[in-house]
Amino acid sequence: QKEVEQNSGPLSVPEGAIASLNCTYSDRGSQSFFWYRQYSGKSPELIMSIYSNGDKEDGRFTAQLNKASQYVSLLIRDSQPSDSATYLCAVTPDTGTASKLTFGTGTRLQVTL
Amino acid sequence: DAGVTQSPTHLIKTRGQQVTLRCSPKSGHDTVSWYQQALGQGPQFIFQYYEEEERQRGNFPDRFSGHQFPNYSSELNVNALLLGDSALYLCASSFGTGGPYEQYFGPGTRLTVT
Repeated sequence: QKEVEQNSGPLSVPEGAIASLNCTYSDRGSQSFFWYRQYSGKSPELIMSIYSNGDKEDGRFTAQLNKASQYVSLLIRDSQPSDSATYLCAVTPDTGTASKLTFGTGTRLQVTL
Repeated sequence: DAGVTQSPTHLIKTRGQQVTLRCSPKSGHDTVSWYQQALGQGPQFIFQYYEEEERQRGNFPDRFSGHQFPNYSSELNVNALLLGDSALYLCASSFGTGGPYEQYFGPGTRLTVT
């Protein structure tokens, strides 16, 4: 079983729709969760971090965390063609210091006109 | 506010050679982590440097080594290059203690081994 699992996609959504990206993780000791966006040929860009169960909203993005189910998701509202990218889920344990990120393989999102 | 910088942008090396990649962290950050990203995969953790010492290491052979300087910048060295070392090498910076612990990536160095 992979430590962090994501559906590789592509996930295709029409412009203006909600895109829902999912991620599961195997280590119950994971405490910090991140979503990165990576455009083709570019480096990952941090878009959301979440540490507690529940929802966290930032503009058109909402991260959802359920530690009991070991599940974290990212919702993108009013999807735009510029949102077309690979979205990487990453988790870290709680060590009280900056710790290594364990990534999934990413979900490729395509927003169609 | 200066972000994370890396050099060089691209590099082509021959099998068996050695390479050094460089990274300067985001202003105010003191911790540098290095990742390797193969095509179609998520980044894989190589190691992390804090206070000029290697604090954590991933499952990479000893051919991969690093260094952190007093100004928090860092180098990644890879010896005896293999074809399989071809990848995008990413540097990420963060605060080492006290949080928050978000890691911010530089633009990466694309290494091609022929």
